[in-house]
Amino acid sequence: GAVVSQHPSWVICKSGTSVKIECRSLDFQATTMFWYRQFPKQSLMLMATSNEGSKATYEQGVEKDKFLINHASLTLSTLTVTSAHPEDSSFYICSARDMGYWTSGSNEQFFGPGTRLTVL
Amino acid sequence: GENVEQHPSTLSVQEGDSAVIKCTYSDSASNYFPWYKQELGKRPQLIIDIRSNVGEKKDQRIAVTLNKTAKHFSLHITETQPEDSAVYFCAARGPATGFQKLVFGTGTRLLVSP
Repeated sequence: GAVVSQHPSWVICKSGTSVKIECRSLDFQATTMFWYRQFPKQSLMLMATSNEGSKATYEQGVEKDKFLINHASLTLSTLTVTSAHPEDSSFYICSARDMGYWTSGSNEQFFGPGTRLTVL
Repeated sequence: GENVEQHPSTLSVQEGDSAVIKCTYSDSASNYFPWYKQELGKRPQLIIDIRSNVGEKKDQRIAVTLNKTAKHFSLHITETQPEDSAVYFCAARGPATGFQKLVFGTGTRLLVSP
């Protein structure tokens, strides 16, 4: 199946600093990528939908100025957590859907391995 | 918008028993229902999915059933094994999200005891 990678896999940072997380589709192109946050023992909560070449669409309650998303190419989306605080510590997961799904009919959404962020 | 409820939150079974996890959804126009297995600290892995034009789908020990009238779908795992222990999430996708975003259930922690 298609592969989505994330970098870094884990990061520890000091409160007030910014952290960038990369999400790449390795063997397919994705006009749309999704960013999720998952707290321990909870479900995946969609933060935003990243659209190549345009602004991201944020879910209600997610601060767009705090969680900056850039989708500069068909294979790369980045999430920057600005001025991170301990409450931002979480597991961040991206996912992508092959833009060829319109012709292939594939419904699958492929997930990255996740990035564990710890803010001290 | 779409809302997905999942039950039970935890499920303990003996090895070899069957396990059933149920989800309900709110948007009758939703047309895609995947199930994911997530092990601790890892990414969700798609284990089976079903589209709204199908009532049942099976893949070896795993099956999913869909009741569109009642707006619920279920995951069935037969002959459970300890390696089936994980958290399972259901999800739904429909017109409320432009058939793009998945709305996830709250998850079921399955524990299979040897």
